[in-house]
Amino acid sequence: GQNIDQPTEMTATEGAIVQINCTYQTSGFNGLFWYQQHAGEAPTFLSYNVLDGLEEKGRFSSFLSRSKGYSYLLLKELQMKDSASYLCAASGGYQKVTFGIGTKLQVIP
Amino acid sequence: DGGITQSPKYLFRKEGQNVTLSCEQNLNHDAMYWYRQDPGQGLRLIYYSQIVNDFQKGDIAEGYSVSREKKESFPLTVTSAQKNPTAFYLCASSIKSRGEQFFGPGTRLTVL
Repeated sequence: GQNIDQPTEMTATEGAIVQINCTYQTSGFNGLFWYQQHAGEAPTFLSYNVLDGLEEKGRFSSFLSRSKGYSYLLLKELQMKDSASYLCAASGGYQKVTFGIGTKLQVIP
Repeated sequence: DGGITQSPKYLFRKEGQNVTLSCEQNLNHDAMYWYRQDPGQGLRLIYYSQIVNDFQKGDIAEGYSVSREKKESFPLTVTSAQKNPTAFYLCASSIKSRGEQFFGPGTRLTVL
């Protein structure tokens, strides 16, 4: 089966760093996606981790531990425009991608 | 410009009517997907297609139907059998069925 857990809401201050955690249980796991979704809009791709470790892309970094079924998205130098939902999604068996409920991040001044 | 389009952005229908949502992509992607998003819930997979003339049910296929007659197009029909059709519907495509998915802008369907 597929199960993905991530916090529903987080609040952080502009300029700070925030870490959004995600745990997953996915049969036939292939990799872990992170997407950003602003309210009323479509999700946009942020990162895809297949191997263990940290991948950095500008202000955003994503980490994966396959043995622990754990990932996190790290956002540095937060900006007001980073206020959005962040979706964790696992690619698994039967060639499907399963999405978590998303973490709604609010960046405050 | 390559991309994935959905139309219309907002759609209203009376209860008991079937309605078809459009999804077109010019990215030359083989795989296409339909998701439904409700408040407080993640994206839930309705149907997906890995190749023309073939598609599979997702987690919540009941009350929906699809076709994949062309690589570029993957329309979704919401039938009167779907008990709670009001939702935000998202179409996506990817090069491979386990790859990064590109999403269309979505259609917000309201059934009155």
